[in-house]
Amino acid sequence: DVKVTQSSRYLVKRTGEKVFLECVQDMDHENMFWYRQDPGLGLRLIYFSYDVKMKEKGDIPEGYSVSREKKERFSLILESASTNQTSMYLCASLSGTPKKNEQFFGPGTRLTVL
Amino acid sequence: DAKTTQPPSMDCAEGRAANLPCNHSTISGNEYVYWYRQIHSQGPQYIIHGLKNNETNEMASLIITEDRKSSTLILPHATLRDTAVYYCIVRVSSNTGKLIFGQGTTLQVKP
Repeated sequence: DVKVTQSSRYLVKRTGEKVFLECVQDMDHENMFWYRQDPGLGLRLIYFSYDVKMKEKGDIPEGYSVSREKKERFSLILESASTNQTSMYLCASLSGTPKKNEQFFGPGTRLTVL
Repeated sequence: DAKTTQPPSMDCAEGRAANLPCNHSTISGNEYVYWYRQIHSQGPQYIIHGLKNNETNEMASLIITEDRKSSTLILPHATLRDTAVYYCIVRVSSNTGKLIFGQGTTLQVKP
């Protein structure tokens, strides 16, 4: 079974804390993505990476950074968490040579910033 | 990527076919139609995609109109486990795979 795993299902942090969300995939995929999902706004792309050490801004990168040091791992970093970053965070991966552009998603991390 | 329009919600009786429509009137010739779904508390899951021909797999069928301005996802025998939000996405197939999710259709399958 192909798998995308995320480090936590639920996370509670305080305003101003530095937060790391980790995502690992075991499919040897080149492309990885971070989305956030909020009621009424759907899924929005934060950052994506198409190779190790490569990153591209998505639609809402402000307040976030990412790290891709190894092919299987893509980290989302909140340098100084704020309450408006309370959300569900979803990671996904995609083969670099997709036959059907099927993104595989992790289970999500529900982050609450107090 | 072209914009899509879906009804916000639909109901379907268990065992009956669920037909989920999507309008994409500004679709261009090299854009594919993708369908994903998201069951509560899970990440989205790929269902099917197509360019201009109708497609079928073990999960669903995709019917694309001849002018490609709309499509319908068909779940032939809906079960309670098919209750989910269904997203229709139009995009150019490329290696970067960036997807833009709209609001989707919440399908409620009722016993």
